[in-house]
Amino acid sequence: EAGVVQSPRYKIIEKKQPVAFWCNPISGHNTLYWYLQNLGQGPELLIRYENEEAVDDSQLPKDRFSAERLKGVDSTLKIQPAELGDSAVYLCASSFKGSGSYEQYFGPGTRLTVT
Amino acid sequence: TQLLEQSPQFLSIQEGENLTVYCNSSSVFSSLQWYRQEPGEGPVLLVTVVTGGEVKKLKRLTFQFGDARKDSSLHITAAQPGDTGLYLCAGERRLWLDNTDKLIFGTGTRLQVFP
Repeated sequence: EAGVVQSPRYKIIEKKQPVAFWCNPISGHNTLYWYLQNLGQGPELLIRYENEEAVDDSQLPKDRFSAERLKGVDSTLKIQPAELGDSAVYLCASSFKGSGSYEQYFGPGTRLTVT
Repeated sequence: TQLLEQSPQFLSIQEGENLTVYCNSSSVFSSLQWYRQEPGEGPVLLVTVVTGGEVKKLKRLTFQFGDARKDSSLHITAAQPGDTGLYLCAGERRLWLDNTDKLIFGTGTRLQVFP
């Protein structure tokens, strides 16, 4: 079974440019998460989807960040315009709500460098 | 704001030594998860502890959940170079209204085991 797939793995952009990240969760997982992880620190939740609905976006900086999960499967996270402080690893995770377990499965992440 | 503080932040030891990582909070969690993350990869779940005072063993790793479900520890016996990585604890907040969960990650402990 394929794990959570993210692309690109690395992205280098200049400040003020837009950038987008893509995530394909594990097949059948109805919950999808986007996290931000700074170097050596724990992930911080940006947004959580239940199917196609964003049920927790309280930590998403909505002035520049947006996300969508139109068909309840894969998802994109966009930053426009990017700032120097956005340099981090963006992790996507998924889980299956009905299994009784709340284990989250993480993708490898996209490392963003803003110059 | 990180609700879960891990200590130590960094740990560098020789192969064969024992070590303990602590995860502390003033908040109560439904469960506590431990993850290990290697460079360029997403976190991978090691164990979930649910009951206050619970102890789980995974080969040379021993995990304990505090009686009050506010803290946890990870003890590694006879560390090996393969144990090198970023160890993350994550507290689960069960959201009963919509039967979902929220993971709050700790600050992380970076472990380096030298041969």
